[in-house]
Formats: sequence, C-alpha cells, structure tokens
Amino acid sequence: GQNIDQPTEMTATEGAIVQINCTYQTSGFNGLFWYQQHAGEAPTFLSYNVLDGLEEKGRFSSFLSRSKGYSYLLLKELQMKDSASYLCAIMDSNYQLIWGAGTKLIIKP
Amino acid sequence: IAGITQAPTSQILAAGRRMTLRCTQDMRHNAMYWYRQDLGLGLRLIHYSNTAGTTGKGEVPDGYSVSRANTDDFPLTLASAVPSQTSVYFCASSDSTSNTDVDTQYFGPGTRLTVL
Repeated sequence: GQNIDQPTEMTATEGAIVQINCTYQTSGFNGLFWYQQHAGEAPTFLSYNVLDGLEEKGRFSSFLSRSKGYSYLLLKELQMKDSASYLCAIMDSNYQLIWGAGTKLIIKP
Repeated sequence: IAGITQAPTSQILAAGRRMTLRCTQDMRHNAMYWYRQDLGLGLRLIHYSNTAGTTGKGEVPDGYSVSRANTDDFPLTLASAVPSQTSVYFCASSDSTSNTDVDTQYFGPGTRLTVL
C-alpha cells in the first residue's frame, strides 16, 4: 500500500528553527514535493527533491533520504506568516502525486 | 496573468442536484487535475487530463466526470450530488508534456462545496 506520514500539528516560536518530518512508503518514487497552504487558500509550491541530500532555498531547506523513505522541511528564522499547513507529496510510479495529510505549524510570538 | 481561476468560490447544494465546478488556466499548461481536500486527509486526485482531448481517472473518480475540450478549461461535474461530496475542491495545472513527466503543479483558489 501507499502511505505518507507527517505530524498533525507542531508549535514553534518566532525567530526559531523548526523541522517537519515526512516518512513514506509508495509504489515507485519519482520525487518528493513540499507545499505550503495557508488556511482557506490554495497550496503553493515550496520545493522538489529527487536525489538524496539537502536543497536550500532561502529560509527553507528540504532534505531527502530515498533509502530511508524520509524527508524533512527545515524552516529557519521563523516569522508569523509561516503559520500554515505544510504538505508532503510523493510522485509515484504512475507519475501521480500522493499527498500526506499535512502538518499544521503554529508560530507563537 | 490570473493563473488558475475557479468558480464558484463556494456553493451550497441540495442532494440529487447536478453541479459543474469550473476551472480555467491561462498558462497554456498541458496537464490539469481535480483534487478534493477533506479534513484530516491528504489531497485526493479525482480526475486528470494530460492534454486537451484526453482524461483519466484518479484515486476517487466515482460520482464525478470531467471533459477537456480545449487547453484552458477543465470543468468537473457532479451528476447527482451526495452529502459525502461535501469538500473543498482544488483544480491544478502543470506544464507536463507526457504522463511520464515530472513538473510542479500550480493550484487554483478552490471551491468550497456543501451538499445537504
């Protein structure tokens, strides 16, 4: 079967660093996506990893280990506007996206 | 450039009624998708289209139909709505040129549908 696991909710403090984990078991792997979704809005693209390692993009970084079926999204210098849900998605062997339920990140001042 | 637009923004519908959700993109993307998003669940693919004139079934296609007469429009129809179809519906598009192509999906603002 196909399964993507993320924590349901996390809380962090403004200015701090937070790591959101994603573990997966899917039929085939053609890459892993991270999206951000503010409440009541559309998901927006953050990052794509297909090779092992860390991809850095400003305050956000995404890591992938294919052998462990594991990824994380690292957010640095947290700002209040980073309060949102973060969605992990795997592109499977059929080139379809399989989505995790998302992690709601709450930032406190 | 608007990107992807969806209409209506929200709708309350009586069970048994027919409803079409509209989706239009102006990015000339080949591929388009319809997802539903329910609390506690990930986005689930309903139908997709890799190019104008072709459509395919996703994970949860029952009770829904789509058409892709041209590149820009991808309407989703509920022939006879049921309460379990209460959800937020997102349309997305990508510049994928084939069904073995990896490309980022861009989402519309969503339609919140309630079936009573």
